[in-house]
Amino acid sequence: GAVVSQHPSRVICKSGTSVKIECRSLDFQATTMFWYRQFPKQSLMLMATSNEGSKATYEQGVEKDKFLINHASLTLSTLTVTSAHPEDSSFYICSARPHTRNEQFFGPGTRLTVL
Amino acid sequence: GESVGLHLPTLSVQEGDNSIINCAYSNSASDYFIWYKQESGKGPQFIIDIRSNMDKRQGQRVTVLLNKTVKHLSLQIAATQPGDSAVYFCAELLTDSWGKFQFGAGTQVVVTP
Repeated sequence: GAVVSQHPSRVICKSGTSVKIECRSLDFQATTMFWYRQFPKQSLMLMATSNEGSKATYEQGVEKDKFLINHASLTLSTLTVTSAHPEDSSFYICSARPHTRNEQFFGPGTRLTVL
Repeated sequence: GESVGLHLPTLSVQEGDNSIINCAYSNSASDYFIWYKQESGKGPQFIIDIRSNMDKRQGQRVTVLLNKTVKHLSLQIAATQPGDSAVYFCAELLTDSWGKFQFGAGTQVVVTP
């Protein structure tokens, strides 16, 4: 149980384009989903917290107009990187928190490379 | 907790030996902690958790110890195997935060034959 999927697992895009990453909780409902960014050899950096049906809460320094988050249902959240630049290249990971539980379960991550 | 963004400390362990990974957390009010394992190119995987009303919790080959006095958490892996090679992160649940966790910097465990 508590499986989280992400799609795509890898994406390469040209600078200036937008990329959408999906995060799904497969066997539970997630009232809250989180989006992280991870650079090589570093820890996870929380970008935003997403609650179903409401606007995402972004961490300090994360541009909400660049990283659009939509949490339309209890099993799906999407992160759209708009007008991508090479410095946006990173490993993006989502996690989902089941209702009434504290644990977060992570997706497998999406490797974004912006050329 | 440990600062995010610094270089990753490495623990080299011989196969069969026990591993001990340490973590300092920041908030004395934190009452829930998780250890995660992250293999290269993958998302973090839940290993074991512990609540602040406990000092010790055991799982399969893993033990988490919590010392609230000094705000210290450790993960012990018994009889370390090559498949244990990964980065290990501790995470503390932040209070009043919609379930946000603060992650430690992580420790790279390398198991040598």
